[in-house]
Amino acid sequence: AQSVTQLDSHVSVSEGTPVLLRCNYSSSYSPSLFWYVQHPNKGLQLLLKYTSAATLVKGINGFEAEFKKSETSFHLTKPSAHMSDAAEYFCVVSDKERAGKSTFGDGTTLTVKP
Amino acid sequence: NAGVMQNPRHLVRRRGQEARLRCSPVKGHSHVYWYRQLPEEGLKFMVYLQKENIIDESGMPKERFSAEFPKEGPSILRIQQVVRGDSAAYFCASSLRQGGNNEQFFGPGTRLTVL
Repeated sequence: AQSVTQLDSHVSVSEGTPVLLRCNYSSSYSPSLFWYVQHPNKGLQLLLKYTSAATLVKGINGFEAEFKKSETSFHLTKPSAHMSDAAEYFCVVSDKERAGKSTFGDGTTLTVKP
Repeated sequence: NAGVMQNPRHLVRRRGQEARLRCSPVKGHSHVYWYRQLPEEGLKFMVYLQKENIIDESGMPKERFSAEFPKEGPSILRIQQVVRGDSAAYFCASSLRQGGNNEQFFGPGTRLTVL
């Protein structure tokens, strides 16, 4: 069984300040972890993924995430928020070895204030 | 370099009608996944198909919903006798390989409204 908990449903930051979106997971198997971004009325775009290589993963648009097995966390960060970062963010876990479904968190809405 | 295509983008149906949602995966991808997103919620897995086979349908309601991915043509998610609770965004994703560590590429979604 696997599950994902995104700890904040809404996060609001000012432009130019750091972003932290929190994600905790549980998995019975060796997990792969992903962060996706969804802009209004659009599909999902992959930001980054962890699949057992380096624990600090760098993604697109300046985002990165660190896999911490001891804390079962995969928090998403960015040093400096941009207005275009305002969107919905989803943390996703899937079982690396098995085919099929990924489990999505309920999402975090990021608001960026000017 | 077309990504995942879904059509229609918006679909309006009256209660009791049928809804057919189509998904063309990335060229060369043989693995297709369907997800449903209810308002204010994340995506919930429905079904995973590999050409002509349903691999995992554990997230799909037992009644009124069916999915197929024929040898030729797009994957189809079919909802019979729609009800208001079926109103949601339905996303299709595809991947090149089997396995949870492979990126899924998502389409733009079909937004179904049931009147």
